[in-house]
Amino acid sequence: DVKVTQSSRYLVKRTGEKVFLECVQDMDHENMFWYRQDPGLGLRLIYFSYDVKMKEKGDIPEGYSVSREKKERFSLILESASTNQTSMYLCASSGPGRRTGNTIYFGEGSWLTVV
Amino acid sequence: KNEVEQSPQNLTAQEGEFITINCSYSVGISALHWLQQHPGGGIVSLFMLSSGKKKHGRLIATINIQEKHSSLHITASHPRDSAVYICAVRVTGNQFYFGTGTSLTVIP
Repeated sequence: DVKVTQSSRYLVKRTGEKVFLECVQDMDHENMFWYRQDPGLGLRLIYFSYDVKMKEKGDIPEGYSVSREKKERFSLILESASTNQTSMYLCASSGPGRRTGNTIYFGEGSWLTVV
Repeated sequence: KNEVEQSPQNLTAQEGEFITINCSYSVGISALHWLQQHPGGGIVSLFMLSSGKKKHGRLIATINIQEKHSSLHITASHPRDSAVYICAVRVTGNQFYFGTGTSLTVIP
């Protein structure tokens, strides 16, 4: 069974804290993505990566950075959390892959509250 | 600008009703995905299609490439179908565009 696993389901952090959200996929996908989802705004792309150590800014990269040191792992970093970063964060990965084709797979989501 | 538009935004149906959710897009695509998100967050892919029609159980997805339009149909709807349904298109490369979702509630 294919899987995208996000490390934390629910987090509460203080303003100014550094926050790490981890994502691991087991499908040998090149492409990995971080989105945030807010009511009425749908999914917005923060960053994506198409290979190890490669990253591209999405639509809303400000206040975030990412790291992809290994193919299966893509981390999202909030350097100094702010209350407007309270949101649901979703990691995704996509092929092409022999097992998975071009389907996109999502993790369960991480609910982050910044107080 | 929204590359992907879905309608309706919210939908309430009685159990057993036939449901249609529509998706229009404005960009060239390599594939279109229908996704389902239950309360609590996780998103699963229901269909990926680039032409024609696909069926899985009570769900049917169609796409008309010339008209840049897709529909998701649910036959004999059930309360467990209550979820947010999201249309997503994959353009060339690694780009996906997402609709804002259709929130479906099926009442027993």
